[in-house]
Amino acid sequence: SQQGEEDPQALSIQEGENATMNCSYKTSINNLQWYRQNSGRGLVHLILIRSNEREKHSGRLRVTLDTSKKSSSLLITASRAADTASYFCATATSGTYKYIFGTGTRLKVLA
Amino acid sequence: DSGVTQTPKHLITATGQRVTLRCSPRSGDLSVYWYQQSLDQGLQFLIQYYNGEERAKGNILERFSAQQFPDLHSELNLSSLELGDSALYFCASSVAVPGAGTDTQYFGPGTRLTVL
Repeated sequence: SQQGEEDPQALSIQEGENATMNCSYKTSINNLQWYRQNSGRGLVHLILIRSNEREKHSGRLRVTLDTSKKSSSLLITASRAADTASYFCATATSGTYKYIFGTGTRLKVLA
Repeated sequence: DSGVTQTPKHLITATGQRVTLRCSPRSGDLSVYWYQQSLDQGLQFLIQYYNGEERAKGNILERFSAQQFPDLHSELNLSSLELGDSALYFCASSVAVPGAGTDTQYFGPGTRLTVL
């Protein structure tokens, strides 16, 4: 399995609910990033959390990082239909710029 | 709009052919990354250039090559194309300050390659 695996693969929720997706990775990292991709379009950077940070907020997004478990979670609160997209985590092994993206979580928010 | 441009948007070609994809990074970004996204493989890192030099290499086939020019734009060359090369090809750019640990990438809209 590859570095940066997201779980679940797909998630369907009602508007207003919270969405949580998880990412696991394998090596030591400098930082972990989350990206969003609307169908067939380029990825958009959401948030970056450094390896010495445990939690970070940006608007309705909350990211946690547990380096001991090599895992991260992305929480989207009060979801909206516009949040429907695929979400990817990306990591780069410490000392490299070779970024590995996971296979993504497909989020569908129902109005 | 990320500020990264890619041309062309769509490309349809036949097996055995050669194509060139072009990417212009955001103003001021020195680093360019290339990715391939297909349905069954997810987003695969191909190669990275920083200020004209290759910095990191991923799962890039020998039939593929890339370069970054003095004006920092980059080209990805795909040759002897096969059906399996059909995919979305993304370029991303970043400031990539060495050691800063904040290498946020800005993605272009992608080039959709279809090999018939």
